Amino acid sequence: QSVLTQPPSVSGAPGLRVTISCSGSGSNIGGGYDVHWYRQLPGTAPKLLIFANSNRPSGVPDRFSGSKSGTSASLAITGLQAEDEADYYCQSYDGSLSGWVFGGGTKLTVL
Amino acid sequence: EVQVVESGGGLVQPGGSLRLSCVASGFTLTDHYMGWVRQAPGKGLEWVGRSRNKPNNYATQYAAPVKGRFTISRDESKNSLLLQMHSLKSEDTAMYYCLVEGDHGEGLSWGQGTLVTVSA
Repeated sequence: QSVLTQPPSVSGAPGLRVTISCSGSGSNIGGGYDVHWYRQLPGTAPKLLIFANSNRPSGVPDRFSGSKSGTSASLAITGLQAEDEADYYCQSYDGSLSGWVFGGGTKLTVL
Repeated sequence: EVQVVESGGGLVQPGGSLRLSCVASGFTLTDHYMGWVRQAPGKGLEWVGRSRNKPNNYATQYAAPVKGRFTISRDESKNSLLLQMHSLKSEDTAMYYCLVEGDHGEGLSWGQGTLVTVSA
């Protein structure tokens, strides 16, 4: 049981927009801690996609955006492409647990 | 380019020990928070622990499932991060990733992982 809650799967047609939610609590997201997002392709290491809620590292296209409100955060992907098929994870810090926490991951399928 | 490469994984019997190493290149490891995250086969990501940077005395934090059994340390001479694992259990079987933390507590750069299998 992950501390952060994500939907197990989402899907969308090429060119369309999908969002992935990440729900936490007052000891993590709601406590003011930043939310970060990662993409993991099969058989590879996770790669940072969004940091500090809404910032993109160099090289990440602006099709990817993040937001945070209250105890939740979300990742939006516009202009879906086949290569976006991957697992997506949110991550934050939990003050009660004194460590990082992850969502359970969301598998994105491009129809 | 910031890069980390893990090594040391393998097959170990329950109750055994193993030490993982993470060698950094392209940056000075002493300046950065570093961490370990693991992923059991077919499962999600799980934080293992972290080591703060040298100005913060390399202070460590651990996830509850590994506290008291795992120890994170540094070898400055080799610009490396170490994960010493004792009393290994079958549930410790996972790919172990080393990472560099960014300024906001994010996993800025990840290694390719090293596989630890705990089995008789």
